[in-house]
Amino acid sequence: KNEVEQSPQNLTAQEGEFITINCSYSVGISALHWLQQHPGGGIVSLFMLSSGKKKHGRLIATINIQEKHSSLHITASHPRDSAVYICAVGSNTGNQFYFGTGTSLTVIP
Amino acid sequence: DTGVSQDPRHKITKRGQNVTFRCDPISEHNRLYWYRQTLGQGPEFLTYFQNEAQLEKSRLLSDRFSAERPKGSFSTLEIQRTEQGDSAMYLCASSSPRTGPLETQYFGPGTRLLVL
Repeated sequence: KNEVEQSPQNLTAQEGEFITINCSYSVGISALHWLQQHPGGGIVSLFMLSSGKKKHGRLIATINIQEKHSSLHITASHPRDSAVYICAVGSNTGNQFYFGTGTSLTVIP
Repeated sequence: DTGVSQDPRHKITKRGQNVTFRCDPISEHNRLYWYRQTLGQGPEFLTYFQNEAQLEKSRLLSDRFSAERPKGSFSTLEIQRTEQGDSAMYLCASSSPRTGPLETQYFGPGTRLLVL
């Protein structure tokens, strides 16, 4: 079993739809990261959070430490949001990072 | 300094050859990470440096893999006697612990390795 599980693996949405990507983890963490990876491999850090909720533009990330669960929401989705979204956690018992396998999002115009 | 840079961006080599990749982190970042990502998978942690000290090394990193960060700035990752299973994207990231243990990592563009 992976330390970080994401769902869904693949997601196709119509432009304008509200999107949710879920992440569950099984280790104790110091922080959780949401990353965006575009075709070609470049990775961009979207959020780093250890509690509560963060918002940046149309993106919202929430985390529930007790339930070991995080969600990434995209409001009013746009084709340029098409990418792979990866959840990663930093372990609180060392310096290792564990990554989910990613959610591939395609937003259709 | 505009971000983390990696060199080369692409490498094709024959099985059994040695390859070396370089990562230049953001200049004020003292932490540097190497990851490997195969197609359709999330990145896997390989190793981690704080300044020049290699503090953490994944069991994924076999004896054929070695990483250095001699002056606490750039880092190299060498793979000896490459195997076809080493074909992957090798990602480097750097960070700085500005506020306690929380930090965000900045990723380089990666080096894509193909072993024939």
